[in-house]
Amino acid sequence: DAGVIQSPRHEVTEMGQEVTLRCKPISGHDYLFWYRQTMMRGLELLIYFNNNVPIDDSGMPEDRFSAKMPNASFSTLKIQPSEPRDSAVYFCATSGGASTGELFFGEGSRLTVL
Amino acid sequence: GENVEQHPSTLSVQEGDSAVIKCTYSDSASNYFPWYKQELGKRPQLIIDIRSNVGEKKDQRIAVTLNKTAKHFSLHITETQPEDSAVYFCQGAQKLVFGQGTRLTINP
Repeated sequence: DAGVIQSPRHEVTEMGQEVTLRCKPISGHDYLFWYRQTMMRGLELLIYFNNNVPIDDSGMPEDRFSAKMPNASFSTLKIQPSEPRDSAVYFCATSGGASTGELFFGEGSRLTVL
Repeated sequence: GENVEQHPSTLSVQEGDSAVIKCTYSDSASNYFPWYKQELGKRPQLIIDIRSNVGEKKDQRIAVTLNKTAKHFSLHITETQPEDSAVYFCQGAQKLVFGQGTRLTINP
């Protein structure tokens, strides 16, 4: 397996633009997580899915953020409209279990909003 | 929600010495305690984990110890090497909350 695949690796956009980040999980992993990493706030859990169903989205900062998982092979995290404070590295991670078991991270998407 | 506190935030040790990082959690129902390593510009990766039915686990130069009564677990790295320089994160199980991270620097 190629591991968790994220795209794009880098994105530079202007404030107000829509940003879509994509994630392909490891085959067979039932749980998918979206994290955001910044120097100030560290690694924050935004949302996670189990069997394509959103379980906990309490970490999503505001209505500008949305996430979907239309099938077991694909998830998106969308920011509309984007703001400079959204600049961060966004990681997708997958696991065979929610509260126990290893998290496998993708390489991350580095977002810069100007 | 669960609170996870990690100390110290930065740690600098001489090559060959030992390093210890501590993580304190609040949820007494936690039963899985992992440590992740993140090298500069890379993704976090699991280096060692422990479950609540054991008190210590070792893997070569790294070990994790668990004190469920006091609700803390620690990462121990012995005979440190330059490639151990990285940021280390502990994680709380129930809400998948990460500690703030410890930046470990190994001085040659």
